[in-house]
Amino acid sequence: EVVMTQSPGTLSVSPGERGTLSCRASQSVSSNVAWYQQKPGQAPRLLIYDASTRATGIPDRFSGGGSVTEFTLTISSLQSEDSAVYYCQQYSNWPPITFGQGTRLEIK
Amino acid sequence: QVQLVESGGGVVQPGGSLRLSCAASGFAFSTYATHWVRQAPGKGLEWVAFTRYGGNDKYYADSVRGRFTISRDNSKNTLYLQMNSLRAEDTAVYYCAVSDSGSHFEIWGQGTLVTVSS
Repeated sequence: EVVMTQSPGTLSVSPGERGTLSCRASQSVSSNVAWYQQKPGQAPRLLIYDASTRATGIPDRFSGGGSVTEFTLTISSLQSEDSAVYYCQQYSNWPPITFGQGTRLEIK
Repeated sequence: QVQLVESGGGVVQPGGSLRLSCAASGFAFSTYATHWVRQAPGKGLEWVAFTRYGGNDKYYADSVRGRFTISRDNSKNTLYLQMNSLRAEDTAVYYCAVSDSGSHFEIWGQGTLVTVSS
């Protein structure tokens, strides 16, 4: 099973600044990584797939990068509505599909 | 409007059974692969089960294999999850989700809460 490890656990950033979230895979997953945003009481929403492709309707403030075992989600010019928990997910070596434990993003 | 709507959640005693449904609308459901993903209270996301477009290939998480069964009826645009021998650790919000080409989850339902408690 591929273990996805996210860091940091919590990220606190001021509005307008850039936030970078990291995700590490326990073995190579090529570029088969997606990122999701989840707000309280809501279902997750797909942001990025194939490591760097934005999903439909996602603002270009959100960008993904990386390959093999190291991945990042960068949110430029953070806004209050970006406050949420963010999850990475691998779909390279499955089953099982696995998620990271999540990074909580707080806007100061 | 593209949407998935889950139903069938509720409170059940340990050892009991429950059947979840997920009704799709606004898109070509039969061309998508389908998954169930769950989230225990205050916890992260856990993939549960998968079935391909025709409903033939099925995969399960180790934690539910042998107890849960995923199925779909493309004529009704509906995905199901039959859950037997339920345990307290199965308590979670259950989401259905669909994937197109890869296995990232493009569309999610709003979730249905399953509580296993005596």
